[in-house]
Amino acid sequence: EPEVTQTPSHQVTQMGQEVILRCVPISNHLYFYWYRQILGQKVEFLVSFYNNEISEKSEIFDDQFSVERPDGSNFTLKIRSTKLEDSAMYFCAQTSSRYNEQFFGPGTRLTVL
Amino acid sequence: EDQVTQSPEALRLQEGESSSLNCSYTVSGLRGLFWYRQDPGKGPEFLFTLYSAGEEKEKERLKATLTKKESFLHITAPKPEDSATYLCAVQAPSNTGKLIFGQGTTLQVKP
Repeated sequence: EPEVTQTPSHQVTQMGQEVILRCVPISNHLYFYWYRQILGQKVEFLVSFYNNEISEKSEIFDDQFSVERPDGSNFTLKIRSTKLEDSAMYFCAQTSSRYNEQFFGPGTRLTVL
Repeated sequence: EDQVTQSPEALRLQEGESSSLNCSYTVSGLRGLFWYRQDPGKGPEFLFTLYSAGEEKEKERLKATLTKKESFLHITAPKPEDSATYLCAVQAPSNTGKLIFGQGTTLQVKP
């Protein structure tokens, strides 16, 4: 199974601050996703990204969130002004084909104080 | 609305005691059903993909099956190292491949 890398593993921030979560692309993977999991709850889809643009986003993915992959480098999720309720595990997932299995990273645990 | 429900929420087994986990789904036009394993504080680890009713996949002590309304994950003679949360996810017929997850079944296997 391909190993997906995410950084940082844990991020602690103050409410209102900006955070950037990063995911390293695997060479033949073209489809990228961010999911989040609030403690004790189910994994929720946030956004999908293909060909350098958002292909779908959930209701959770409001104007505070943005994603990009500048120049084919790391796939990033930015939260502009964090809220307490943004505290969760954020997972990056990747796949070579949108209908194949997605491979998940180990996650970034975001704690907003 | 596309929905995935897993049962039971928690399952305790003795080592060697076989059982099954259930995943029922309502989705208009299933693209695929996926099983993942998740250890505490870790990301989901891919186990199986099932695409059509009647399909079965096996890996070691695990066997996944699919019908038109549900999927089962059968665990045969489990070992303590099988203890984890098992997640079921469906892929709806959107063009993006997003996954819709159930809440998971947490399995504990006691020696």
